[in-house]
Amino acid sequence: EAQVTQNPRYLITVTGKKLTVTCSQNMNHEYMSWYRQDPGLGLRQIYYSMNVEVTDKGDVPEGYKVSRKEKRNFPLILESPSPNQTSLYFCASGLKRDYGYTFGSGTRLTVV
Amino acid sequence: KQEVTQIPAALSVPEGENLVLNCSFTDSAIYNLQWFRQDPGKGLTSLLLIQSSQREQTSGRLNASLDKSSGRSTLYIAASQPGDSATYLCAAASYTDKLIFGTGTRLQVFP
Repeated sequence: EAQVTQNPRYLITVTGKKLTVTCSQNMNHEYMSWYRQDPGLGLRQIYYSMNVEVTDKGDVPEGYKVSRKEKRNFPLILESPSPNQTSLYFCASGLKRDYGYTFGSGTRLTVV
Repeated sequence: KQEVTQIPAALSVPEGENLVLNCSFTDSAIYNLQWFRQDPGKGLTSLLLIQSSQREQTSGRLNASLDKSSGRSTLYIAASQPGDSATYLCAAASYTDKLIFGTGTRLQVFP
């Protein structure tokens, strides 16, 4: 089944403890992206990647890192999480912009 | 900077009604516009994708239209059902591959 898989689905962590949220797609998509969703603010793009080893900042990149060493994986790294990074995170992928984007099921992160 | 607005923010209707959800965007230089459905606590499910050269797309009871010149898209839901209850999001894709989302319309269809 064609899908975008995020792990974990739920995560509670403490301030400052490094964490990684994984994202994997099995559709050979070139484009991958991370979003966060917050009440009243909607979905905002964190980082995106047009292809392997190519990443760029979205609208809210501060406090996040990404890497794209292989086409299928696009992990989101929080080196030192803070409570304002408590949010619902989504990973998305797309073949070309013509075909739209497929989203993962989301990761609900709570930083205390 | 592209801004995407969805009106209304919430809508509650009886089963069977035909609905129109609105999406407006400030920059008409979009590559395409995509409509999504989001169920509470769940991910986004793509409903319809309209390329900038198209006027509308249809899937079952759903029809989405796009008018780039006026910066508007509408999602029409025919004969609404309780199972249609969800939040509907539109997203405009720029030529730089940025996807800008509206804040959504929360729809409730009651029996």
